[in-house]
Amino acid sequence: AQSVTQPDIHITVSEGASLELRCNYSYGATPYLFWYVQSPGQGLQLLLKYFSGDTLVQGIKGFEAEFKRSQSSFNLRKPSVHWSDAAEYFCAVGTGGSYIPTFGRGTSLIVHP
Amino acid sequence: NAGVTQTPKFQVLKTGQSMTLQCAQDMNHEYMSWYRQDPGMGLRLIHYSVGAGITDQGEVPNGYNVSRSTTEDFPLRLLSAAPSQTSVYFCASSYAQGISTDTQYFGPGTRLTVL
Repeated sequence: AQSVTQPDIHITVSEGASLELRCNYSYGATPYLFWYVQSPGQGLQLLLKYFSGDTLVQGIKGFEAEFKRSQSSFNLRKPSVHWSDAAEYFCAVGTGGSYIPTFGRGTSLIVHP
Repeated sequence: NAGVTQTPKFQVLKTGQSMTLQCAQDMNHEYMSWYRQDPGMGLRLIHYSVGAGITDQGEVPNGYNVSRSTTEDFPLRLLSAAPSQTSVYFCASSYAQGISTDTQYFGPGTRLTVL
C-alpha cells in the first residue's frame, strides 16, 4: 500500500520569503501526486497534481512542485509567500489501483509580516 | 454547480444519540468518500463509494455506516455517538479514471461535538 510523509508539522516564514514544503511517498511504481490547501474553517482545495510527463508542475496561486523519483519526493515551492498563504497544506498519493488517495498529516504554514 | 455540499455545518450530540451527516454533489462524480480530521492526525478515510450501491470501508470505519442509493448522495450515519467521534467531517467526490485516483472535490465540512 502507498503512504505519504510530511516531515514538518509547522513551518514559519516571513512574508516575501521563499517556501518549500516537503512530501515523501512510498510506492513501488509511479504514483499520482497531489497537493491540497486548507484555509481556516474551509474544506480542501487542489493546488496541483502530477500524473505523468514534465516533473515540474505548476499550480494555482503561484505554487509549483517537482516530482523526484530518485528521492521519492514531491516538494511544494513558492518563490514569495503572501500573508494569505497561511493555511494547512496536505500532500496526497494515489496509484493506478486505488480509488481514493492517501493523505499526509499536513503541514501548517504560518506567515509573519 | 454547487459542487459538494454538506449539512449541517455544526452539530452537538449527546453520547448515545444517532444522527446522519448529509453529503451531496452535482458533478456526476462516481467516487465519493468521507474523512474525519483531527488535530495532528490529518485526514483519515472512514468509508468510500465507487458508485451507486457500492461502498467499502476505509481506515477508521467503526461506529459509522454509509449507503449510496444515488450517484448524488452519500450520507454518513453515526449509530450511537461517542465523545471519540468529536471531529470535523469532510465529504469528497471525484471523477473515475478507470480505477485510478483523481482530484478530490471537498465539501466545507461538518463540525461535530459529542458530549
